[in-house]
Amino acid sequence: DQQVKQNSPSLSVQEGRISILNCDYTNSMFDYFLWYKKYPAEGPTFLISISSIKDKNEDGRFTVFLNKSAKHLSLHIVPSQPGDSAVYFCAASGGSNYKLTFGKGTLLTVNP
Amino acid sequence: DGGITQSPKYLFRKEGQNVTLSCEQNLNHDAMYWYRQDPGQGLRLIYYSQIVNDFQKGDIAEGYSVSREKKESFPLTVTSAQKNPTAFYLCASTPSDRYLYGYTFGSGTRLTVV
Repeated sequence: DQQVKQNSPSLSVQEGRISILNCDYTNSMFDYFLWYKKYPAEGPTFLISISSIKDKNEDGRFTVFLNKSAKHLSLHIVPSQPGDSAVYFCAASGGSNYKLTFGKGTLLTVNP
Repeated sequence: DGGITQSPKYLFRKEGQNVTLSCEQNLNHDAMYWYRQDPGQGLRLIYYSQIVNDFQKGDIAEGYSVSREKKESFPLTVTSAQKNPTAFYLCASTPSDRYLYGYTFGSGTRLTVV
C-alpha cells in the first residue's frame, strides 16, 4: 500500500522553462510534506516543505503547492537550470511518530 | 559543523555474516531513522527511534536490528537473516519541532554482499 505516490518516473524540460513535479498521498493523517533532491550514492538534500495549514510555500525558484482536498502537492521550479537535474522525492509525515514516508521519486532532466 | 556521519561509505559483506552500519549525529536531535534505497523503490523505512532506549519497526524491519543507547548514535545491524541486503542505506534525524527544522540525512552507506 503506497501512501505517497509520484506517478511520473521521469520528466524532461528545457532550461529556463518551468518544471512541475507532482505527488499524491492517501493518508489523511499526513500534516507535513517535504521535497528532497537526490544524486546517486548521496544522501537526499532538503529543498522545501509545507505544513497542512498552508497551501503554498515559496523559497527562491522553488514553490510547493498543497491541495488538501485532492491530497495532492506539486513542486514548481522556475526557471529550471541544468544543475537541477536529479531525482526528486516527495515525502510526508503525520501523527506522533515523525516517520517520513517517501514516494518513489521522479528523475528530472533539464536540457541546456 | 553539525550533521550526521555515516560510516563506512562502502561496505562488503560475505554471505552469512552480520554487519553493523554506524550513524552518529551531533545535532542534538531526538528522533533517528534508517532507510534503505533500492533502484526504482524510493526510500523505505527500516527502523526508527524517537527517544533513547526505544525504537520501532518500520516497513521492512525483517533481518535488521538496531539499538539506541545514546541520543547521538543509532547503529543498524544487517543480519544473515536479511535475504537481499545489497542496497544503499541512509540514516536521518529530526528534532522534536520537525516543522521548523525538518529532517537531516547522512551521506549513506553502500552495502554489497559478495
